[in-house]
Amino acid sequence: ETGVTQSPTHLIKTRGQQVTLRCSSQSGHNTVSWYQQALGQGPQFIFQYYREEENGRGNFPPRFSGLQFPNYSSELNVNALELDDSALYLCASSLVGRPDTQYFGPGTRLTVL
Amino acid sequence: GENVEQHPSTLSVQEGDSAVIKCTYSDSASNYFPWYKQELGKRPQLIIDIRSNVGEKKDQRIAVTLNKTAKHFSLHITETQPEDSAVYFCAASLDQFYFGTGTSLTVIP
Repeated sequence: ETGVTQSPTHLIKTRGQQVTLRCSSQSGHNTVSWYQQALGQGPQFIFQYYREEENGRGNFPPRFSGLQFPNYSSELNVNALELDDSALYLCASSLVGRPDTQYFGPGTRLTVL
Repeated sequence: GENVEQHPSTLSVQEGDSAVIKCTYSDSASNYFPWYKQELGKRPQLIIDIRSNVGEKKDQRIAVTLNKTAKHFSLHITETQPEDSAVYFCAASLDQFYFGTGTSLTVIP
């Protein structure tokens, strides 16, 4: 197993609420990426952080935001939750410029009711 | 942005037969092409990858081929076993990853 961890494992929220998901990177990795994986779909790139700044963003609205901390842990925040936000959220850490070093965390299953 | 298409969406093979999954990508700048295996409820696991300066790579029963001109790459699994049953995803990357929609592979004993 990799050193990437995520919390919580599962989460249930209601429409309109806000949620914060957390990720702890593999030791030594300085880049973190977040993905949304809806049921039966491939992971969709949300954004990537490097040196605590956003370093690329996929096609997601501004209510999806993130933070990366000096210890390389990170958060994904989603405001004004919608039913379609129900998905598995995966973080992955890597070394900048080295996509071959990317390791996924186990994911957080978010259900929006 | 990058667009990755993957086919087929489902694939059933008899144990011992070969399985082939194909992907196409749109951004010629992509230079890294990993394949992931994902079992139900688990994280994607990297099974093989290839860089754009290589045409083919093999690891035991698994191989990947890349055609940069046509912008497509394929996963080949030979001598399939029931434990190969899972969902497989291709991805294309320059730095961020863009995934295909997945292929559900079933190996029938």
